[in-house]
Amino acid sequence: EAGVAQSPRYKIIEKRQSVAFWCNPISGHATLYWYQQILGQGPKLLIQFQNNGVVDDSQLPKDRFSAERLKGVDSTLKIQPAKLEDSAVYLCASSLGAGPSYEQYFGPGTRLTVT
Amino acid sequence: AQKVTQAQTEISVVEKEDVTLDCVYETRDTTYYLFWYKQPPSGELVFLIRRNSFDEQNEISGRYSWNFQKSTSSFNFTITASQVVDSAVYFCALAPISNFGNEKLTFGTGTRLTIIP
Repeated sequence: EAGVAQSPRYKIIEKRQSVAFWCNPISGHATLYWYQQILGQGPKLLIQFQNNGVVDDSQLPKDRFSAERLKGVDSTLKIQPAKLEDSAVYLCASSLGAGPSYEQYFGPGTRLTVT
Repeated sequence: AQKVTQAQTEISVVEKEDVTLDCVYETRDTTYYLFWYKQPPSGELVFLIRRNSFDEQNEISGRYSWNFQKSTSSFNFTITASQVVDSAVYFCALAPISNFGNEKLTFGTGTRLTIIP
């Protein structure tokens, strides 16, 4: 079974530029998560999708971050414009169902450096 | 509010030694899950275990064991006879149990474990 795929693996941009990350979850997984992991910290949930609907985006900085999951499969996370403090690893995870009783499977992450 | 504290930022042990990673949590929820994840250098988080607050039995899986003590709000993780492949960052996490499906995992700051050959 293929795991969660993410691209790119690394990205370096200047502040105020835009960037987009892509995630392909495990086939059949209805729930998709985007996490932000700042160096030296644990992952923090940015947004949770159930199929193509948003379940929780309370910690997503909506003035600059946006995410979509068209057709309930792949997802894209965008930052526009980027700030220095957005430097982090962005992790995508998926699970069969919503909630912590379902195991989350994580992708390798995209490491973003904003200069 | 929920909080997970992993006071050990970094630990180094010599291969074959036993090592315990500490996790202390705070929550007002009466029912909750506790987790441990491993993050190897490749970056993805690997699920190790989930325990619910109803079950305080210790668990053993091969060289791994977990000690859950509700009285001290701790969920510690022990690796017996450590190996170089155990080198990684380990995260403890907490999530409430409810029927809504939007319960967030709250992660600790992680413990970087280095096994010296």
